[in-house]
Amino acid sequence: GESVGLHLPTLSVQEGDNSIINCAYSNSASDYFIWYKQESGKGPQFIIDIRSNMDKRQGQRVTVLLNKTVKHLSLQIAATQPGDSAVYFCAESSKSNFGNEKLTFGTGTRLTIIP
Amino acid sequence: EPEVTQTPSHQVTQMGQEVILRCVPISNHLYFYWYRQILGQKVEFLVSFYNNEISEKSEIFDDQFSVERPDGSNFTLKIRSTKLEDSAMYFCASSVLVGETQYFGPGTRLLVL
Repeated sequence: GESVGLHLPTLSVQEGDNSIINCAYSNSASDYFIWYKQESGKGPQFIIDIRSNMDKRQGQRVTVLLNKTVKHLSLQIAATQPGDSAVYFCAESSKSNFGNEKLTFGTGTRLTIIP
Repeated sequence: EPEVTQTPSHQVTQMGQEVILRCVPISNHLYFYWYRQILGQKVEFLVSFYNNEISEKSEIFDDQFSVERPDGSNFTLKIRSTKLEDSAMYFCASSVLVGETQYFGPGTRLLVL
């Protein structure tokens, strides 16, 4: 069935270090993957996405890696800052009759940056 | 930068009452969504909406739920007769086109007593 799960519920990283947040998915038909950041009391904020025809995509300080063979997604944050402290969700979708619509979210990883 | 807005930020209601949650999607977006997040749980898809019609809905979105675009800017979620288990954060999202990035609003925290 469709499920998106995260390996670690919490992660603490020293400020300035790099962090890696992992995510496993089970739907082999998934072709669009997104990382969202959620700060306390706020809605999910888009960070970066990747489609299944790619295995790596880079943004500003963030990199998403997709391994379709093992159905694994990761988010790398370089040179972490205190403002990176949040819960990070991976989400996936697969094409329905109307295109990619429904996002299936993982449970989230709480990232804490230690000053 | 344009963003999705939602009102109210918090809503407390009695079980059995009707609530309407409001959203203003990003102005050039054509696809609209509602999700909910029960405290401590995953964000769950409820419904997607395009061209004044529901295009996809989850099993959570039963007959007690309805969505509407009453004018050119608002997108609403109505819960006809609230239950205790409807207590959750409700997020509205929008995207330019289907399959494009969904941008989320700040959410409405609904508490059913």
